[in-house]
Amino acid sequence: AAGVIQSPRHLIKEKRETATLKCYPIPRHDTVYWYQQGPGQDPQFLISFYEKMQSDKGSIPDRFSAQQFSDYHSELNMSSLELGDSALYFCASSSDGSEAFFGQGTRLTVV
Amino acid sequence: AQSVAQPEDQVNVAEGNPLTVKCTYSVSGNPYLFWYVQYPNRGLQFLLKYITGDNLVKGSYGFEAEFNKSQTSFHLKKPSALVSDSALYFCAVRARDSGNTPLVFGKGTRLSVIA
Repeated sequence: AAGVIQSPRHLIKEKRETATLKCYPIPRHDTVYWYQQGPGQDPQFLISFYEKMQSDKGSIPDRFSAQQFSDYHSELNMSSLELGDSALYFCASSSDGSEAFFGQGTRLTVV
Repeated sequence: AQSVAQPEDQVNVAEGNPLTVKCTYSVSGNPYLFWYVQYPNRGLQFLLKYITGDNLVKGSYGFEAEFNKSQTSFHLKKPSALVSDSALYFCAVRARDSGNTPLVFGKGTRLSVIA
């Protein structure tokens, strides 16, 4: 069965650079979520989209933005990167408000 | 507001013994409850969910969980632990009537199964 696809799997950026993370949800899933997981931490919700419209907003910094496109893929754009942005970034998708299925994540390292 | 508490950072159990990973929740109204497992440098894998119906829910890899409304708990259990069960386990909640709002996760419990 198709799963949530995230790219890239690993990304190394320098401070103050920008990064774009991509997410391809499971087909026919109507909701996409972005989470950030720091080392030894639980996943923290950043932002979500329902049918291509932003639906909920969590602890997403103003330096970050996200959108969902007509083909339902989503991108998380991160600017002015800081060392503290180093984390695993997960995308998840769901349908009918039930369980969310997670991608393998993008490990972002800011140096 | 929704919240999840996993009171144990670490659970150690011998292979072949039963395991329990504890979870309590707080939510307005009726909950959707979930368990996920995370292996090192991997995404979260869905294990099982409680939506409605039987309080005992069976999931992947022999895991099960029991919903207890009066105690607001949803403990994860397995009758006989395997070394390969060693991982990080997250409990999550969503209010049933909240549509597609994001899951709220607990802090996670690291399970270590010793051969």
